[in-house]
Amino acid sequence: KNEVEQSPQNLTAQEGEFITINCSYSVGISALHWLQQHPGGGIVSLFMLSSGKKKHGRLIATINIQEKHSSLHITASHPRDSAVYICAVSSPNTGNQFYFGTGTSLTVIP
Amino acid sequence: EPEVTQTPSHQVTQMGQEVILRCVPISNHLYFYWYRQILGQKVEFLVSFYNNEISEKSEIFDDQFSVERPDGSNFTLKIRSTKLEDSAMYFCASAGTKYEQYFGPGTRLTVT
Repeated sequence: KNEVEQSPQNLTAQEGEFITINCSYSVGISALHWLQQHPGGGIVSLFMLSSGKKKHGRLIATINIQEKHSSLHITASHPRDSAVYICAVSSPNTGNQFYFGTGTSLTVIP
Repeated sequence: EPEVTQTPSHQVTQMGQEVILRCVPISNHLYFYWYRQILGQKVEFLVSFYNNEISEKSEIFDDQFSVERPDGSNFTLKIRSTKLEDSAMYFCASAGTKYEQYFGPGTRLTVT
């Protein structure tokens, strides 16, 4: 079973485009996390959300708790944004372990 | 800025051998985690550790796996008798609160 679903799985965009990645989850959560994984494999935390919206530079993350849905937006995309973006949720029912989505592979073409 | 470190970055071992993967969490963190990612698949939870004991573990974390915090700084994952299917990237994470985790760079384990 997949506690976290992401879409799309793969995304190719032209530099400068506005990008949206979606995440839906089915478990009760304490927080939702957006992570970035570069080709070398390392994982970096971008956002942790429990409500509303957060912005960091060109990245914006929103969450709708009632609908169990979150979106990650990238404005004015750049080739250096190319990476896998992973949605993960931490659930209080299971020691706050992360449940991970399968990731969205983003390629931004110059 | 404090960070989680992991050693080695790449470990190659023969099937049946024991491996120990090492992690140094951020110093004032209290919660520790191991995850793995088989090539091409999603990241999966293995185990969480708090107050010197396992707090949660997944079905993957069977008797072949163990974790330890031997000296108050290192956090290790031991695989007793490696199998081919243990080949994966293993990530350590630590957290100061329950909710925000900081990930290490990963150890790529290759079992031949």
